[in-house]
Amino acid sequence: GAVVSQHPSRVICKSGTSVKIECRSLDFQATTMFWYRQFPKKSLMLMATSNEGSKATYEQGVEKDKFLINHASLTLSTLTVTSAHPEDSSFYICSAGTSGSSYNEQFFGPGTRLTVL
Amino acid sequence: LAKTTQPISMDSYEGQEVNITCSHNNIATNDYITWYQQFPSQGPRFIIQGYKTKVTNEVASLFIPADRKSSTLSLPRVSLSDTAVYYCLVGDDRDKIIFGKGTRLHILP
Repeated sequence: GAVVSQHPSRVICKSGTSVKIECRSLDFQATTMFWYRQFPKKSLMLMATSNEGSKATYEQGVEKDKFLINHASLTLSTLTVTSAHPEDSSFYICSAGTSGSSYNEQFFGPGTRLTVL
Repeated sequence: LAKTTQPISMDSYEGQEVNITCSHNNIATNDYITWYQQFPSQGPRFIIQGYKTKVTNEVASLFIPADRKSSTLSLPRVSLSDTAVYYCLVGDDRDKIIFGKGTRLHILP
């Protein structure tokens, strides 16, 4: 099956710093990738849709200036958490679908656990 | 997107068959039903998808009645490693996925 990777898998940073998370589709091209956030014992919450070559589409309530998304190529999307604060500590997951995938079939990355001190 | 309702949690024992039912009363004609599995600190994994009747793969079976207002994910002879959260999703969007609360399945020895 299609593989999606994320880097780093775990990051700890100080409050006020920015953190970049990479999402890569390893064996397929993805014109669209998705970013989710998941708090402990909670479901995944869709944050934004990352579109290759254009601006990301953010879900209601997600600050676009806080969570910067760049989709520079067909295999790479990045999420930058700017001026991170402890409340941004969460599990961030990306996903992508292939052109041959069926409806609602997404391939998810392993996730990145962000801890802001 | 059609809303789904699942039990919050379920317990079962190793070797048993587990059935998780999902209600989706407002499912639309073009909607598919998809199930994902998520282990702690990992991304979700696609399990199975169906439109109507029954679908079976090497991992699970999906039963969908004629009215399609519900579906049942069946896991045969579960093991401890099947302990996870299972999400039922309904939609016709080839891309965007909105997750519900899911069912936390706990397999006991």
